[in-house]
Formats: sequence, structure tokens, C-alpha cells
Amino acid sequence: DQQVKQNSPSLSVQEGRISILNCDYTNSMFDYFLWYKKYPAEGPTFLISISSIKDKNEDGRFTVFLNKSAKHLSLHIVPSQPGDSAVYFCAASAVDSSNTGKLIFGQGTTLQVKP
Amino acid sequence: NAGVTQTPKFRILKIGQSMTLQCTQDMNHNYMYWYRQDPGMGLKLIYYSVGAGITDKGEVPNGYNVSRSTTEDFPLRLELAAPSQTSVYFCASSYDGTQYFGPGTRLLVL
Repeated sequence: DQQVKQNSPSLSVQEGRISILNCDYTNSMFDYFLWYKKYPAEGPTFLISISSIKDKNEDGRFTVFLNKSAKHLSLHIVPSQPGDSAVYFCAASAVDSSNTGKLIFGQGTTLQVKP
Repeated sequence: NAGVTQTPKFRILKIGQSMTLQCTQDMNHNYMYWYRQDPGMGLKLIYYSVGAGITDKGEVPNGYNVSRSTTEDFPLRLELAAPSQTSVYFCASSYDGTQYFGPGTRLLVL
């Protein structure tokens, strides 16, 4: 039962163009969503997040969009740079009575930005 | 401020051996987590802790144990290593819902 899904294992874009990474979720109790970036042989690093009370959050070249009715979020990177080449994970959490902060991760999408 | 540190970086174990993966954070975070990542898969939660002295199982706890005697340290113990535990292990800590990860430990069980 995959509650968070990234259906595209890989994505290739040209430098300077837009990269759009997608993520779908099934649990309507999720209220906080995050994107992480991971380089080989390193741990995931936090990129950007969004609360369910918003539909957009922007940080420099990175924008996350949330469509609650479709249970879908996306990460836009504009313009894409070769250094953005990495695996991107989306993650989600739900407020629970224990306030555990547990995250559910998608499978990841490998982004390749070609010079 | 080192963030989250993990040791060792890489280890080869024989089937049946035991080992402890170390995780330390210096950010005074209450919440700590252990994940494993298998090839082509996302991160699966093994165990987590909401504070010193409190631990609980995640999605894939079988074959592992944890303890949390201090806020800083959250070691993961493998008692009888099995080939299915070959994976990359990540430790993370959090205080506000955003988790910060260590560099990982690559474990190979042969």
C-alpha cells in the first residue's frame, strides 16, 4: 500500500528549461509535504515544504504546488542547472495524536539536467 | 554544528553477526528516526523516538532494535544479520516536522 507515489522513475531536461517532478498521495490526513534532494553516497537534504493550508510555496528557483482535491503535488525547478541532477523524494506527514512527525516517502525520481 | 553524524560509513557483515550503527545529533532535536533505503525504493521507517527513553516501531522493524538513553544518540542494533538487511541506513532528527538526515551507513551482509 504505497501512500505516496512518484510514478516517474526518471526525468531528463535541458539546462535552462523547467523541470517538473510529480507526486501523488492517497491519505487525505496528510497535512505537510516536503521535497528532499539526494546526491549519490550522501543523505537526503531538505529542499522545500508546503503545508496543506497553502497551494504554493516558492524558494528561489524551486516552487512546490499542492492540489488537495487531486491529492497531487509537484516541484518546479526553473531554470534547471546541471547541479540539480540528483534523486528527488517527496514525503508527507499527518498530524497524529502522538505527534510523532513520521514521514512517508515516495520512491524517488532521478533528475538529469543536460548541459 | 555537525548536524547528524553516522558511523561507520560502510561495513561488511557475515550472516549471523551483530553490529550497532551509531547516530548522533547536536541540534537538541527531540525526534529521531532510522530509515533504510533499498535500490530503486524510497526510505522505509525502521524505528523512531520522540524523546529520550521513548522509542517505537516503524514500518519495517523486524531484525532491529534501538535505544535512546540521551537526546543526542540513537543507535540501531542488528542482532543476527541476514542478507535481507543489506541496505543503506539513514538516521534523521527533527524538531518541527522537517527531518535532517545523516550521510548514511552502507551495510553489506554476506
